[in-house]
Amino acid sequence: EDQVTQSPEALRLQEGESSSLNCSYTVSGLRGLFWYRQDPGKGPEFLFTLYSAGEEKEKERLKATLTKKESFLHITAPKPEDSATYLCAVRWDSNYQLIWGAGTKLIIKP
Amino acid sequence: ETGVTQTPRHLVMGMTNKKSLKCEQHLGHNAMYWYKQSAKKPLELMFVYNFKEQTENNSVPSRFSPECPNSSHLFLHLHTLQPEDSALYLCASSQDPSGNQPQHFGDGTRLSIL
Repeated sequence: EDQVTQSPEALRLQEGESSSLNCSYTVSGLRGLFWYRQDPGKGPEFLFTLYSAGEEKEKERLKATLTKKESFLHITAPKPEDSATYLCAVRWDSNYQLIWGAGTKLIIKP
Repeated sequence: ETGVTQTPRHLVMGMTNKKSLKCEQHLGHNAMYWYKQSAKKPLELMFVYNFKEQTENNSVPSRFSPECPNSSHLFLHLHTLQPEDSALYLCASSQDPSGNQPQHFGDGTRLSIL
């Protein structure tokens, strides 16, 4: 069964403590992997799209990388305002629908 | 206004009520989507519209009825809902439904069924 798994479910870090979130997928024929950020009471906000293994994208303290089986969202020296739930979604083969992960809730303590 | 706007933001209704959720996008996109988001679960795609035509209905119960009068507006009509329908309902839009372009989301309607 095609699926997307995010880990950990929740992550608590001190301000400045770098770490990574994981999004692993079992779909065949990856056509794109999307990262979103969701704040409480808000809709998901688009961050990055990755299309092929080895690709990397950066935005401020966030860096997304992609392999053939998983993607990592690296967060460097995080600040409290980086606290949010981070979602990943995958598009595969010719199917235009996305398969979503359940998200990682990131909490950055000052 | 810019982006994707959803109204109302919160809705409480009884199981026998009829209500509608509204979504409007100001991005010039051609595809619009309804999703259901429940706590700690992945987003569930409900409906997809491309140029006002419904292209996907993911086995959604008939108590949910979508309407897309034009490429900028999307409605979700609700009737005889069940307690398990309580969730956050998100509307999204994208340039096209091919999946190549990212989807842009509204802030959702928090629905509670009494």
